[in-house]
This record gives sequence, C-alpha cells and structure tokens, in this order.
Amino acid sequence: EVRLEESGGGLVQPGGSLRLSCATFELSFSDHYMDWVRQAPGKGLEWVGRIRDRAGAYTTEYAASVKGRFTISRDDSKRSLFLQMNSLKTDDTAVYYCASHGGLLSAGKLFDFWGQGTLVTVSS
Amino acid sequence: EVVLTQSPGILSLSPGERATLSCRASQSVSTNLAWYQQRPGQAPRLLIYAASARATGIPDRFTGSGSGTDFTLTISRLEPEDFAVYSCQQYGSSPPLTFGGGTKVEMK
Repeated sequence: EVRLEESGGGLVQPGGSLRLSCATFELSFSDHYMDWVRQAPGKGLEWVGRIRDRAGAYTTEYAASVKGRFTISRDDSKRSLFLQMNSLKTDDTAVYYCASHGGLLSAGKLFDFWGQGTLVTVSS
Repeated sequence: EVVLTQSPGILSLSPGERATLSCRASQSVSTNLAWYQQRPGQAPRLLIYAASARATGIPDRFTGSGSGTDFTLTISRLEPEDFAVYSCQQYGSSPPLTFGGGTKVEMK
C-alpha cells in the first residue's frame, strides 16, 4: 500500500524558514512527479508546486504566491520529497500535504496519493 | 489562472437523500476536472477524474458530469460516511492547478 508521510511542520516567526519532508513507501518514487498542496485553516486546497521525475529533468513549477520563497527538491535514493520555505508570511499558515499521481497519464494532473499533512503555523 | 467556484457552500441533507454539488470554471477546462472528498481530519481522496470517471474503489452512487465550464457531482443516496467536504480541481489549464473552495455536505 502506498503511503506518504510528511514531517517538519511547526511554529515559526514571520520571516523565518522551515523545511518540510515527505517520506514515501511502496511508491515507485523515481517515476513519479511529486507535488505539495496546502490548506489554510477553514479554507480550500491550494496547489503549492511540483517537481517532475528524472525523465522530466527534475524541473519545478510553483504557485505565484510562493515563487521565489519556496523550493521543492527530491532525493530519489531516499524516496523523499522536500519543501524549503523561506521568508515565511502569516498567510503561509496551513496544513501542507505532499501528493502524487497514480498512473503515468495523470502525472501533474491528479492526486491519487496524499499524506496526512503537517501543520505549519507562522506567527509572532 | 482558472478560478473554480463551488456552490452551495454548505448542503444540509439527511442520509438517503440525493446531493447535487456544482463547480463552475472561469474558462473552459474541457473535461479536465476532478472531484475530491475530504473527511474531517483526513487528507483528500480522489473520487472522480475526467469529469465523469470514477477513481478506483469509488462506489457508483457518486456520479460526475459536465464539460467546459459547468460541472456537477451527484451523490444518489447519502450514506453516513459521505458527510464531508467536496472539492473540485481543474487540470485543463496549468500550471497552476486550481481547486474550488469546497462544498460541505452536512447532516441535517
């Protein structure tokens, strides 16, 4: 059974940094695009960004709201995904999910697999 | 960026009743639309993709329809486990992928 597990959330002051991790299990990680999606308290889901697989040259894309502040990376040898968040703002407070697709054709489009999320709180 | 508007925000129904949820896109996404269910404290679960195809293991009481800018998710007879938040997501014009604000189906 595919499982995704996020970690690294917590309380951080505005302007601070935090690094989230997502460990994957039973996922053919190296063949999968990996995304981050967040959900602010009481709000809808918001796509944060994506990193493609090796065939996609590990290219990344970001939402306008985080571009230049957040960086997505991956370590295929450890089947892990990362989100480096810098210059954090109070608006970045949310549960952060890592997510990925099922079949090849749904890469970058659909999310069949989700972690349980990790809460990031940006507050002074 | 494609904006998805879901209505109603809250739907109060009883078990066994029919639920009809709407998702409207600010521009055509063809049939590149998905629906997710999110129970309290849980991650979203993919229900419907390509506007009308059920994901693996999704019961046939869930039906998706629509194309272009107007989409509907219908739950034919609500079961107790169906009371949750439902979100639509488009992948016809990305990046960015965008989600609707969600419809909460609550028990009357």
